[in-house]
Amino acid sequence: GAGVSQSPSNKVTEKGKDVELRCDPISGHTALYWYRQSLGQGLEFLIYFQGNSAPDKSGLPSDRFSAERTGGSVSTLTIQRTQQEDSAVYLCASSLNPDNEQFFGPGTRLTVL
Amino acid sequence: EDKVVQSPLSLVVHEGDTVTLNCSYEVTNFRSLLWYKQEKKAPTFLFMLTSSGIEKKSGRLSSILDKKELFSILNITATQTGDSAVYLCAARILYTSGTYKYIFGTGTRLKVLA
Repeated sequence: GAGVSQSPSNKVTEKGKDVELRCDPISGHTALYWYRQSLGQGLEFLIYFQGNSAPDKSGLPSDRFSAERTGGSVSTLTIQRTQQEDSAVYLCASSLNPDNEQFFGPGTRLTVL
Repeated sequence: EDKVVQSPLSLVVHEGDTVTLNCSYEVTNFRSLLWYKQEKKAPTFLFMLTSSGIEKKSGRLSSILDKKELFSILNITATQTGDSAVYLCAARILYTSGTYKYIFGTGTRLKVLA
């Protein structure tokens, strides 16, 4: 596609529910990244994929967070048993390869009530 | 602990002023430093700096990296109201395993008054 797209753009959920966030990277980009940005904070790096593989998952905040990428394209970030502190904007980015500039999607604003 | 610190936290200037934004870093396995502009949600890429002392320019924006003193600056000359945004810098880390990691600063919020 023309740019990185994310869905949904906004998600409101109740504490304890699971949510799934989706990212469609730019076609042909092998690297895909997930970030979290809490109100007034900088970006927190969560995980990146090279192809379908995530070399390092240590940036995920807890074991309630998981991510996968299939077909070297779409990625989903899943948060299980959401907590209020999970409320944030979740940004996805992609790049041609990990050594190139990243292009960001518009983000998903998650609100956990 | 790897960290990136930006200063000032916020800045208000008038159109036509020149501003300098600072980014210092303390990270292991440093690979490069990146600058982004964030106006609403999605940051947009400005510069990637890998080598020390080489200035990168794009219009009124320029940036340089000092790998000895571990900092970078972003200069904006003849500021315009459209430059109002949060400017983020990030250190890219490359581990010997071949994996990457990014550490972002909290950003500098720039407001340019007409």
